[in-house]
Amino acid sequence: GQSLEQPSEVTAVEGAIVQINCTYQTSGFYGLSWYQQHDGGAPTFLSYNALDGLEETGRFSSFLSRSDSYGYLLLQELQMKDSASYFCAVIMDSSYKLIFGSGTRLLVRP
Amino acid sequence: DAMVIQNPRYQVTQFGKPVTLSCSQTLNHNVMYWYQQKSSQAPKLLFHYYDKDFNNEADTPDNFQSRRPNTSFCFLDIRSPGLGDAAMYLCATSSGERGYNEQFFGPGTRLTVL
Repeated sequence: GQSLEQPSEVTAVEGAIVQINCTYQTSGFYGLSWYQQHDGGAPTFLSYNALDGLEETGRFSSFLSRSDSYGYLLLQELQMKDSASYFCAVIMDSSYKLIFGSGTRLLVRP
Repeated sequence: DAMVIQNPRYQVTQFGKPVTLSCSQTLNHNVMYWYQQKSSQAPKLLFHYYDKDFNNEADTPDNFQSRRPNTSFCFLDIRSPGLGDAAMYLCATSSGERGYNEQFFGPGTRLTVL
């Protein structure tokens, strides 16, 4: 079977840096994606890693280590609007499916 | 703007009364998905289409059915809604490019079952 683990909640201060970790156990792993979801809203795509290393997109970066079955999302210069749920999701190599982690609720405080 | 549209945004139905949720897309994507999301949980995939090929998740109840009459539209039919089916239903699309799989989500339909 497949499983993904993320912390359930993270709290950080505005302007700080926060890292949200994701460990996975899957067969047929192809890549790792991250999605952001505000309360009442739809998930929106943030990043994708198929290869080991760091991908940077503005204030957000995502990292993958395939040998460790581990990835993280790094959010810099936190803003209040970053308060949301963040999901890691594994892309399976034999399908078009995403397997979502349980999500991390990020609360940014002033 | 290219997008994924869901109608209605809010749907109230009675216990056991069939309901249909609709999704349309202007992205011309090959793959369309239906997810169920309950409060504070991850989206749970119900089924997906690659073009007209239907793929049902093993744990999707028989009460849930789907139709994709053409590339742009996809419907979710709940034949006899129960109280446990109250949730947000999300439609998503992806291009079908192997391995990349960025999914574009619609705004969702929040279903209430009375």
